[in-house]
Amino acid sequence: TQLLEQSPQFLSIQEGENLTVYCNSSSVFSSLQWYRQEPGEGPVLLVTVVTGGEVKKLKRLTFQFGDARKDSSLHITAAQPGDTGLYLCAGVENSGYALNFGKGTSLLVTP
Amino acid sequence: DAGVIQSPRHEVTEMGQEVTLRCKPISGHDYLFWYRQTMMRGLELLIYFNNNVPIDDSGMPEDRFSAKMPNASFSTLKIQPSEPRDSAVYFCASSFGRNTGELFFGEGSRLTVL
Repeated sequence: TQLLEQSPQFLSIQEGENLTVYCNSSSVFSSLQWYRQEPGEGPVLLVTVVTGGEVKKLKRLTFQFGDARKDSSLHITAAQPGDTGLYLCAGVENSGYALNFGKGTSLLVTP
Repeated sequence: DAGVIQSPRHEVTEMGQEVTLRCKPISGHDYLFWYRQTMMRGLELLIYFNNNVPIDDSGMPEDRFSAKMPNASFSTLKIQPSEPRDSAVYFCASSFGRNTGELFFGEGSRLTVL
C-alpha cells in the first residue's frame, strides 16, 4: 500500500494550459515536500509546506497543503515545455522519521 | 560545490553476481539515504544513516542487500547475489540537520541484472 497517492499518474497537455496534480494520504504529515525529476537525473526540491492550509507560490507554480495536513496540490499556470518532468510529493508522518515518496505524476507539455 | 556523487552510472550484470554501488554525499551533510526507483513501486527508501550510523534499514528488501557508511564521505550499497528483480535505478541522497530537511539526490545508478 502506497502511503502517498498521486493523481493523475500521467498528464499530457499543450503549452499555455493550466493543470493541477494531487497528493493524498490517510495519514497526517508534519510536512510535505514537492520534487521535480527530469529523465536521467535525481529529484530536485521545489518546495516544503509545513502548516495546514499553507499556500506557497514559486513563479507559475502554486502549492497548497490541506487543512488537515493529509493532502497537497500543485497547480501550474500557463504550462511551458520546460515544466515537463516527474512531479513527486514526499512526506514524513507525524510518527515517522524519514521521507516517503508518492509514485509521482509524469507531466508532458508539448509546444 | 559538488553535489552527491554516485558510481557507477550504469551497471549491467548477470544474475548471481555481486553488485556494489557507491555514494559520496555532500560535505557537511549528516544524513545519507539510499532509495530505489522502479516504475511499479516508485521511489522506495531502503536505508538511512545519521552521522554514519544506520538508523532505519526496514526498507532493505532482503538479506542479499547490505549498506555501509565507514566514514562521513562514503557509503556503499551491496547486493549479493543479484537477481533480475533487483533491476532499478538506485539513488543516494544526503541532507543536513534533520531527516526531514531538503534531500539532495545524486544522478542515480541504473542497475540491470540479466
